Amino acid sequence: QVQLVESGGGVVQPGRSLRLSCAASGFRISVYGMHWVRQAPGKGLEWLSFFSAEENRNFYADSVQGRFTGSRDNSKNTLYLEMKAVRAEDTAIYFCARDGPHWDVDYWGQGTLVTVSS
Amino acid sequence: QSALTQPASVSGSPGQSITISCTGTSSDIVNYNYVSWYQHHPGKAPKLIIYEVSYRPSGVPNRFSGSKSGNTASLTISGLQAEDEADYYCSSKRSITRVFGGGTKLTVL
Repeated sequence: QVQLVESGGGVVQPGRSLRLSCAASGFRISVYGMHWVRQAPGKGLEWLSFFSAEENRNFYADSVQGRFTGSRDNSKNTLYLEMKAVRAEDTAIYFCARDGPHWDVDYWGQGTLVTVSS
Repeated sequence: QSALTQPASVSGSPGQSITISCTGTSSDIVNYNYVSWYQHHPGKAPKLIIYEVSYRPSGVPNRFSGSKSGNTASLTISGLQAEDEADYYCSSKRSITRVFGGGTKLTVL
């Protein structure tokens, strides 16, 4: 069955970098679009990035454009999110998710917590 | 990129019906019939419960229904059950990207 497992979260100091991973199983990420979404404490879901399999490129929210970079390793069936120059407001649970066939998100991971603090 | 607007909370008693609204703009809800809804129990993975405004994925009870009028989409849960207590999020296509609502906490009294 489809499974997404995020890892790499933890406590990071402001201005530093962190790389999150999302290991997929039950399907091949090479043929699916994939999203990163986050949830800050007490807040709602915020869409961050989308990798389009058709266009082979990433799209980003304004809030992370230029600081976050999405990538994938198809041989490991794993998605990555490189976070640079992190800020306190980047503190959140980060979810990876699979793009569904109806402009929806059909499978999600359970998320990994990133805490930006000195 | 502003989020879609949802009420912060709704509540209902078991067996009752509730409706959660989701208001967007011409950049998203108005011009696309690609509204989806997600149920999220904190600590777990969010779950898709409605796609394309009103369609249910396999396995989602027909107590969950969706609709749209103008710039507002709605999720209705009928015959409330205790396990429906969760956070609910709407989402819409916005160009090539997606936008989510701020979330609504459903309390089953």
